[in-house]
Amino acid sequence: KNQVEQSPQSLIILEGKNCTLQCNYTVSPFSNLRWYKQDTGRGPVSLTIMTFSENTKSNGRYTATLDADTKQSSLHITASQLSDSASYICVVSVTNAGKSTFGDGTTLTVKP
Amino acid sequence: DTGVSQDPRHKITKRGQNVTFRCDPISEHNRLYWYRQTLGQGPEFLTYFQNEAQLEKSRLLSDRFSAERPKGSFSTLEIQRTEQGDSAMYLCASSTNHYEQYFGPGTRLTVT
Repeated sequence: KNQVEQSPQSLIILEGKNCTLQCNYTVSPFSNLRWYKQDTGRGPVSLTIMTFSENTKSNGRYTATLDADTKQSSLHITASQLSDSASYICVVSVTNAGKSTFGDGTTLTVKP
Repeated sequence: DTGVSQDPRHKITKRGQNVTFRCDPISEHNRLYWYRQTLGQGPEFLTYFQNEAQLEKSRLLSDRFSAERPKGSFSTLEIQRTEQGDSAMYLCASSTNHYEQYFGPGTRLTVT
């Protein structure tokens, strides 16, 4: 069964600090892995997209890594801001299929 | 604003009533997806259209759910004889490929 597991479930950090969120998956055959940011009550917004051959992708203060051998990904947030408070969702897609498998997200709270 | 719009944003209905939601994708996007998201969970895939053809449908979708995309542009999701378990956020996304999906703001359904 295709699964995406995210950890931690929730995280509280102080403004300005860095943090790393984890995503492990069992989806096969792998096509791509995406990280989304979802503010409360809003739709998810794409942060990064990585295919099999990519092992790192940056988007401003967000850097995602992918290890396709161990089926693990991480999202590193640098110099956190209050506006980073949101749910971060890892999504993995199989090759040539419309259905994607979503993790349950990590809820990040950045405190002043 | 991703360019994907959903209407209504909120819907409160009584158990047993029918409801219909609308999604307007980004105009040049030929692929359209519907997801359901409950509190603390990631989005769950419901169905996928390529142009007007419904190509995939989740087993989660009971006979009470139906989706259409009559002219390959906007889409509707109808839930008949709503149940309290249908209370969730219903998300629509559109794309030109399976990778970069753009999500709408969602429709929050509350069944009383």
